[in-house]
Amino acid sequence: NAGVTQTPKFRVLKTGQSMTLLCAQDMNHEYMYWYRQDPGMGLRLIHYSVGEGTTAKGEVPDGYNVSRLKKQNFLLGLESAAPSQTSVYFCASSYEGELFFGSGTQLSVL
Amino acid sequence: DAKTTQPTSMDCAEGRAANLPCNHSTISGNEYVYWYRQIHSQGPQYIIHGLKNNETNEMASLIITEDRKSSTLILPHATLRDTAVYYCIVRPRGGGADGLTFGKGTHLIIQP
Repeated sequence: NAGVTQTPKFRVLKTGQSMTLLCAQDMNHEYMYWYRQDPGMGLRLIHYSVGEGTTAKGEVPDGYNVSRLKKQNFLLGLESAAPSQTSVYFCASSYEGELFFGSGTQLSVL
Repeated sequence: DAKTTQPTSMDCAEGRAANLPCNHSTISGNEYVYWYRQIHSQGPQYIIHGLKNNETNEMASLIITEDRKSSTLILPHATLRDTAVYYCIVRPRGGGADGLTFGKGTHLIIQP
């Protein structure tokens, strides 16, 4: 039982490049979330999903897209990366209000 | 915006009880108080939650005031490994997006 797994753990992109962050959970949770955390800041919600095939915008959705084709996976995409998207990205799933977080992806956009 | 207010930082001596306050004066009747902590650059970790009664588990105790407008997380015997950022959030018990904003939390530093 791995919980919430994020890949990759680190990535460096050039401005304008695209990439996809993968989040996988093996707890059969309906709800999944993507957050970003900037230095010295709290976590801000980017997008979330309340079930397979559904997604919704969070607090800071601009520049990101998401997909939830399978219940266990939640993908976060950056179509054209910008330096402002340099951050640590955390995925989470939830059950009855309790959030389970992955270990994060550190992304740098040069 | 986060619905909670927490001190930016606190110090506590190793072996003593660490008491972390949180104000949530606009909490709704169906909202629970959840506490998480984030050690260094790891993902946040669930600690405890409660509705109106005091709660205790192997990690901590949660004291919620009778009017539910504030709460205190208590780490009974703090160790150096408890140095972390502690987040207090309020949200319904369901799995939607309500209350999912984490503020800056309280940076708890355990002093040897």
